[in-house]
Amino acid sequence: DSGVTQTPKHLITATGQRVTLRCSPRSGDLSVYWYQQSLDQGLQFLIQYYNGEERAKGNILERFSAQQFPDLHSELNLSSLELGDSALYFCASSNRALGDTQYFGPGTRLTVL
Amino acid sequence: QKEVEQDPGPLSVPEGAIVSLNCTYSNSAFQYFMWYRQYSRKGPELLMYTYSSGNKEDGRFTAQVDKSSKYISLFIRDSQPSDSATYLCAMSAMGGSNYKLTFGKGTLLTVNP
Repeated sequence: DSGVTQTPKHLITATGQRVTLRCSPRSGDLSVYWYQQSLDQGLQFLIQYYNGEERAKGNILERFSAQQFPDLHSELNLSSLELGDSALYFCASSNRALGDTQYFGPGTRLTVL
Repeated sequence: QKEVEQDPGPLSVPEGAIVSLNCTYSNSAFQYFMWYRQYSRKGPELLMYTYSSGNKEDGRFTAQVDKSSKYISLFIRDSQPSDSATYLCAMSAMGGSNYKLTFGKGTLLTVNP
């Protein structure tokens, strides 16, 4: 158990809908990262937050947004969903004082029908 | 050319064999190199973490980094059926607060009893 929690585990929704994925980092970790894993693209970095502020952006679509709250949990919002958004979404957290090693949560499996 | 290339396999070996997994990369800014193990679409689990060139050993696992060749390896000695998983290499550049990881697509390993 990495200490990173994600909810829900599974999500099934329809095209055009909006969903919110939630992540709680390990105790003491200020950085949260979101990744998308699909069969054809592998693990792709989406976005990083550090102590509530956006720090780095990767291949994140404009339909996707994220935020990190004062209690350090993070939410990834996916809107106008398309079939191609079906994937595993992972959250990771890290602690700069511990070398910024990223520890991953169990993921949320999103299926868009 | 992708930033990180990894042979997807699959790789099948008998129990007790020495396994060699490799990645090549093109971005000379990468300074931190990691190997993650992922069981059947669960969250990636950190195995090894190496900074810059050199070797690092942890039990049955040895990580090697050759920055001059932009080539990293993971060796697994005395492989066990429980080592059957997908192995992902990951890398990040140093400096600033951009610690996003760039992953290879993963190599699927099966260790047969």
